Amino acid sequence: IAGITQAPTSQILAAGRRMTLRCTQDMRHNAMYWYRQDLGLGLRLIHYSNTAGTTGKGEVPDGYSVSRANTDDFPLTLASAVPSQTSVYFCASSERGEGINEQFFGPGTRLTVL
Amino acid sequence: GQNIDQPTEMTATEGAIVQINCTYQTSGFNGLFWYQQHAGEAPTFLSYNVLDGLEEKGRFSSFLSRSKGYSYLLLKELQMKDSASYLCAVNNDYKLSFGAGTTVTVRA
Repeated sequence: IAGITQAPTSQILAAGRRMTLRCTQDMRHNAMYWYRQDLGLGLRLIHYSNTAGTTGKGEVPDGYSVSRANTDDFPLTLASAVPSQTSVYFCASSERGEGINEQFFGPGTRLTVL
Repeated sequence: GQNIDQPTEMTATEGAIVQINCTYQTSGFNGLFWYQQHAGEAPTFLSYNVLDGLEEKGRFSSFLSRSKGYSYLLLKELQMKDSASYLCAVNNDYKLSFGAGTTVTVRA
């Protein structure tokens, strides 16, 4: 079944540790996105990629980095996790072109930083 | 900056109609999305408006007024499974800015 997968499903992490959240899509979408979702704040864009080989900063990029080596994968790295990065992280992808270009979301990763 | 407002919570009875309003002030605008998100799940696409007016899709309709910075999502013939959060999102050059979401509770 086509779609987006994320790993891990959930993770408890000690502050200061490095962590990479994985995201893979098989829809051959050009664009991919990382959001965090916090209670009362809604989804906020962390980083995005319009196409393989390019990335850009979203609304809340500090403390996070991304790479886009190929079309399918878009990992998010926390170099040194802090408790304020406790959140639910969603990866999404979309086409860029004619049409609605709605974003399709992965199932999310629940991250707790202690 | 981006400012997108929607009510925090709404409650309605099964079979009724609920209207969720969304107002926005954003630096750019290429359209407005509505997403549905059940608790513990990913958001899923409901509707998209790029021009002024009403878009109807079955029990769900969405309206947009670009001059007023206003949209609403209308849910008709409410069912228990419609209990979820509804997210308003403004599209600016393929990047989405989301409101905090409206939690709709449907009562029997």
